[in-house]
Amino acid sequence: DIQMTQSPSYLSASVGDRVNITCQANQYISNYLNWYQQKPGKAPKLLISDASNLETGVPSRFSGSGSGTDFTFTISSLQPEDIATYYCQQYDNVQFTFGPGTKVDIK
Amino acid sequence: QVQLVQSGAEVKKPGSSVKVSCTASGGAFSSYAIIWVRQAPGQGLQWMGGIIPMFATPVYAQEFQGRVTITTDESTSTAYMELSSLTSNDTAVYYCGRDKVWGATTRLDYWGQGTLVTVSS
Repeated sequence: DIQMTQSPSYLSASVGDRVNITCQANQYISNYLNWYQQKPGKAPKLLISDASNLETGVPSRFSGSGSGTDFTFTISSLQPEDIATYYCQQYDNVQFTFGPGTKVDIK
Repeated sequence: QVQLVQSGAEVKKPGSSVKVSCTASGGAFSSYAIIWVRQAPGQGLQWMGGIIPMFATPVYAQEFQGRVTITTDESTSTAYMELSSLTSNDTAVYYCGRDKVWGATTRLDYWGQGTLVTVSS
């Protein structure tokens, strides 16, 4: 089974800061990696698909990169509305795995 | 616009089963994967399995094999997830989601509102 790790598990940053979250797979997954944002009490929302494709309507301050086993999710300028938990998710041969999540807070 | 509407909250006894429904509207049903994910209180997301209705062959996460059954009813555009032998560890919000790519099972573009299942004696 493919396992995903994310770091950090929690981060606190100031408005306007650049924020990076990393996600690592324990085996090669090409670019089969998506990123979601989940706000408290809400269903997750897909932000980035296939490692780097920004979904329609998602602000351009969000971006993703990476391939193989190492991936990065970036918020270029953190906004108050970005307070949420972010999850990576891989798909391989119809099997999904989510990362454990990164909680992002405003300092 | 695709919408997924799930059935309401459930309270179940340990050892029993629960069946959660997910009704899709606003698009074709048969060609798009329906995926089930759960989230225990204060925890992360856990993939349970999925199905593409036109193929009718579900795929399950190993940790739920033998306990979960995912089915669809194309006449009502509804997917079902049934989980048996419930324990308190199954207390969670259960989400259905749908991929927007034809015939693919890669991501969840659309999500239901979630169904809280509480297992308690």
